[in-house]
Amino acid sequence: DQQVKQNSPSLSVQEGRISILNCDYTNSMFDYFLWYKKYPAEGPTFLISISSIKDKNEDGRFTVFLNKSAKHLSLHIVPSQPGDSAVYFCAASALSVSNFGNEKLTFGTGTRLTIIP
Amino acid sequence: GAGVSQSPRYKVAKRGQDVALRCDPISGHVSLFWYQQALGQGPEFLTYFQNEAQLDKSGLPSDRFFAERPEGSVSTLKIQRTQQEDSAVYLCASRGDEKLFFGSGTQLSVL
Repeated sequence: DQQVKQNSPSLSVQEGRISILNCDYTNSMFDYFLWYKKYPAEGPTFLISISSIKDKNEDGRFTVFLNKSAKHLSLHIVPSQPGDSAVYFCAASALSVSNFGNEKLTFGTGTRLTIIP
Repeated sequence: GAGVSQSPRYKVAKRGQDVALRCDPISGHVSLFWYQQALGQGPEFLTYFQNEAQLDKSGLPSDRFFAERPEGSVSTLKIQRTQQEDSAVYLCASRGDEKLFFGSGTQLSVL
């Protein structure tokens, strides 16, 4: 049972345009959402996060939008740059019910983003 | 270095062999996590430590998997009698500044 879904395995975007990566979740207990970026042969690196009390969080070229009623979040990258080419993972946790500060994350299967120069 | 360090980087094991994977978290990080990432999948939670205490091992797939962190720093994930389905990348992460910092992982191949 996939609680966090990224339905697009891959996405290609022209350099300078907007990249939009989507993520859906099913567990209504999730209240904290994150995006990680992963280059080959490296571990995932944190990109941006959002709490369920917000519907938008922005950090430079990266913006995450959360639609709680639809259980949907998206990551916007604008403008897209060649260095953004990587696999992007959406992740979620249920902080309000986590024990001992254990914010264990549930990840999606990832979207491979390719920025075309 | 200042990041999470994992060793070995690659491990090839024959089916039935025992393996031990090491994680050196970022110095001072109290929380440590192990994740398993199968090919084409996202990382899946295995276990969580706070200092030396293993507070959550709900993600360990079977009793062949065992993790320890005896002094609250370095952690070892041990897999006994490895099977082909154990082939995956094993990621360690430690938490600081309210973020998880991941190591590069150990890629385990069981033949």
